[in-house]
Order: sequence, then structure tokens, then C-alpha cells
Amino acid sequence: AQSVTQLGSHVSVSEGALVLLRCNYSSSVPPYLFWYVQYPNQGLQLLLKYTSAATLVKGINGFEAEFKKSETSFHLTKPSAHMSDAAEYFCAVRRGDKIIFGKGTRLHILP
Amino acid sequence: SAVISQKPSRDICQRGTSLTIQCQVDSQVTMMFWYRQQPGQSLTLIATANQGSEATYESGFVIDKFPISRPNLTFSTLTVSNMSPEDSSIYLCSVELAGALQETQYFGPGTRLLVL
Repeated sequence: AQSVTQLGSHVSVSEGALVLLRCNYSSSVPPYLFWYVQYPNQGLQLLLKYTSAATLVKGINGFEAEFKKSETSFHLTKPSAHMSDAAEYFCAVRRGDKIIFGKGTRLHILP
Repeated sequence: SAVISQKPSRDICQRGTSLTIQCQVDSQVTMMFWYRQQPGQSLTLIATANQGSEATYESGFVIDKFPISRPNLTFSTLTVSNMSPEDSSIYLCSVELAGALQETQYFGPGTRLLVL
């Protein structure tokens, strides 16, 4: 069954540094994969999604993710972190009609 | 995407009472879902809200505790019944839009519930 694993419940980066949030998936078929962001006291916002059209997916706020079948990974990156990127990030995979979420990674931005 | 609203945005309730949460969407949707996010946790699917029929519940969730209605394509309610402090969570509705974006779920802002 499809699932995702997020490595690291907390990640800290300095402002201006590279952001890398890791997500590995397990799926026997080509998956639909998503990254969502949850800012403090808010709901979830879709950052980007992979639906097999292109392996490098660009999302909002300068984020992108690369689908690597050989590594079963869908890591989220941003070249230069901004203080406003501090939030909880969830990787997710579609399983039938349902979206299955990872445990989340809280991103801290250090001044 | 779509504009999804939830009411109330937050509430503090007493043990043993019930709270009904509303979810309204401004577009035609194919599917609506209800999730729970316990403090510091990820999202767990409670049920799929089916229009005109009983909701489909996930393992560990039952209709008596979380009755759901979906009278039309753009509106659904979730009731948290006979609440206990363990029900303190964020409750979120999500939708899939009719049309080309059907594989994506969009989320409402959530309802923050504290049970005393």
C-alpha cells in the first residue's frame, strides 16, 4: 500500500541557506505525490504535486521537488530560506480516493 | 483552486457536549473529506462525506461519535459528539474539485477545538 516517510521531524536552516526536506514513498504503481505546508494556526496549503508529467516539479514560494524513481524519493528544496518559510511541511501520497500524510517536518529558520 | 470556509474557526467546549462544524465550498466538488489533526501530529482521515448517503468512515472512527452530513455538493457538517478532552484537535475539511484537478485535495482553514 502506498505510504510516505518523512525523515526528520525538525529541520533547522539559516536564513538564506538551502532548504532540503526529505520524503520517501512506497508504492507499487506510479504515485501521485504532494507537499503541503501548514503555517502556524492555519490550514494546509498545497505547495506542489507530482502526477507523472515531469520529474522536477515547481511549486509556490520558490519551492520545488524532484521525483526520483530509483531512490523512491520526492524531496522538497528551496535554494534560499526565508524567515517566512518557518512552518510544518507534510509529504503525502494518494491511495485510491484518499490522501495519506507523512508525520510532518517542522522547519525552523535561524536568523 | 477553491475557497473553503469552516465554522467555527475555534471553540472551547465542556466535556459531554457536542459541536457541529460546517464546511462550505464556493465551487462544485466531487468529494469532501474530514480529517483530524491531534496536537503535534499529522492528519488522520476520519471519513469521506458522501452526498445523499451515509459517510464512509475510516478504521477507528464511528458514526455515533462523528456523524457527518452532506446535503449537497458544496456543504458538509461534522459533529463531534459527547466530547472528552481527547477530542481536542484541529478538524479540517478537504475537497476535490470537479474537473482536471481531481487528484488534488484542497483544505479548509480548520476548526480548533479545545475540550475541557
